[in-house]
Amino acid sequence: GNSVTQMEGPVTLSEEAFLTINCTYTATGYPSLFWYVQYPGEGLQLLLKATKADDKGSNKGFEATYRKETTSFHLEKGSVQVSDSAVYFCALSEDGTSYGKLTFGQGTILTVHP
Amino acid sequence: EAGVAQSPRYKIIEKRQSVAFWCNPISGHATLYWYQQILGQGPKLLIQFQNNGVVDDSQLPKDRFSAERLKGVDSTLKIQPAKLEDSAVYLCASSLEGFWRGGTDTQYFGPGTRLTVL
Repeated sequence: GNSVTQMEGPVTLSEEAFLTINCTYTATGYPSLFWYVQYPGEGLQLLLKATKADDKGSNKGFEATYRKETTSFHLEKGSVQVSDSAVYFCALSEDGTSYGKLTFGQGTILTVHP
Repeated sequence: EAGVAQSPRYKIIEKRQSVAFWCNPISGHATLYWYQQILGQGPKLLIQFQNNGVVDDSQLPKDRFSAERLKGVDSTLKIQPAKLEDSAVYLCASSLEGFWRGGTDTQYFGPGTRLTVL
């Protein structure tokens, strides 16, 4: 079946540091890939997505590139802010018979200190 | 545009009691999802509706969980009787036409209901 694996967390950074959160996936078909973010006390929000190989999703300074050859979708940001502190979830949705169901990774807690 | 609404936000019950959660999706969204998020884990799909029909309930513990989507709009998820391991956040999400667009459609999530079973 489908699965998503995220890097072990939590991650603690200083403001303006470079961020990478690793995400790899296993899927039998041609998935779309997503990063969702959950800020404290709020619901999950879509951060970015990519629907085919070599696509790059970007939003709010975050980027991730869909790499089919390495089955990866790593999240990066060049300079993090305190307001980026949140839980980040990598997810996939496979076309075909899954009808859009999302399979999530376990989440990575990011804490950014001033 | 109003987002996905859920109620209640918090619920504490004793084991073996029953509980119900309500979800109102974004207007016009045909596909509705219920996910269970246990502390420290990613959300897991429980059931998916397309309009008022069930598309996928393969992960729903049907001996105790039930869900319905009346008139293809609001949805209710019920647990009866509750067990300790049902303590989790229950998330409702909707998408415009996820069923038809397969994996590419964006899902919009509500704030969730945090259930504690004592």
